[in-house]
Amino acid sequence: AQSVSQHNHHVILSEAASLELGCNYSYGGTVNLFWYVQYPGQHLQLLLKYFSGDPLVKGIKGFEAEFIKSKFSFNLRKPSVQWSDTAEYFCASDAGNMLTFGGGTRLMVKP
Amino acid sequence: DTGVSQDPRHKITKRGQNVTFRCDPISEHNRLYWYRQTLGQGPEFLTYFQNEAQLEKSRLLSDRFSAERPKGSFSTLEIQRTEQGDSAMYLCASSPRDRRALGAEQYFGPGTRLTVT
Repeated sequence: AQSVSQHNHHVILSEAASLELGCNYSYGGTVNLFWYVQYPGQHLQLLLKYFSGDPLVKGIKGFEAEFIKSKFSFNLRKPSVQWSDTAEYFCASDAGNMLTFGGGTRLMVKP
Repeated sequence: DTGVSQDPRHKITKRGQNVTFRCDPISEHNRLYWYRQTLGQGPEFLTYFQNEAQLEKSRLLSDRFSAERPKGSFSTLEIQRTEQGDSAMYLCASSPRDRRALGAEQYFGPGTRLTVT
């Protein structure tokens, strides 16, 4: 069975700080990987996705993630966060017909 | 609004009652998924449909849970004899025909928050 681990449950940063959120997945075969974001009071939205090809993928709002197959990792990064990035972030894998989500990371950006 | 819609957005029910939730996917999407999310956790997959066929239902939490998509458009999720542990957010998502094609990610609705008293 697949599993996804997000190491940081809560992260607090000041504006302009750099962000890296960890994500590890367990499935050893071909897998699609995603980062979703949930802003306060809103529904889950896709930030970025990896299906194949270039392991460095860029998403919306300046986010990027790097797929490292040897480490089973798909960490999310942003060089300079803004107050509006305050949200909960979910990593997910899809190796079949369903998404397996990590437990989420709550990010708070202080102005 | 052309996104995934869910109804109702909130449902409060007493233990033992039956509840039914509706999901309307994005119109051109043929796959529809149900997830459950409890506080502090990521969404947990329940079941999915391709058109009207329910292709995976082993993850439904118990035989009290059932889902239908009779005409391959909207779907309903029913919980019979609700228990307090069923209190959660129930999310619906849809995706287009080929999940491995570029852009075939899942689009989520706003969810239905169920509270069982």
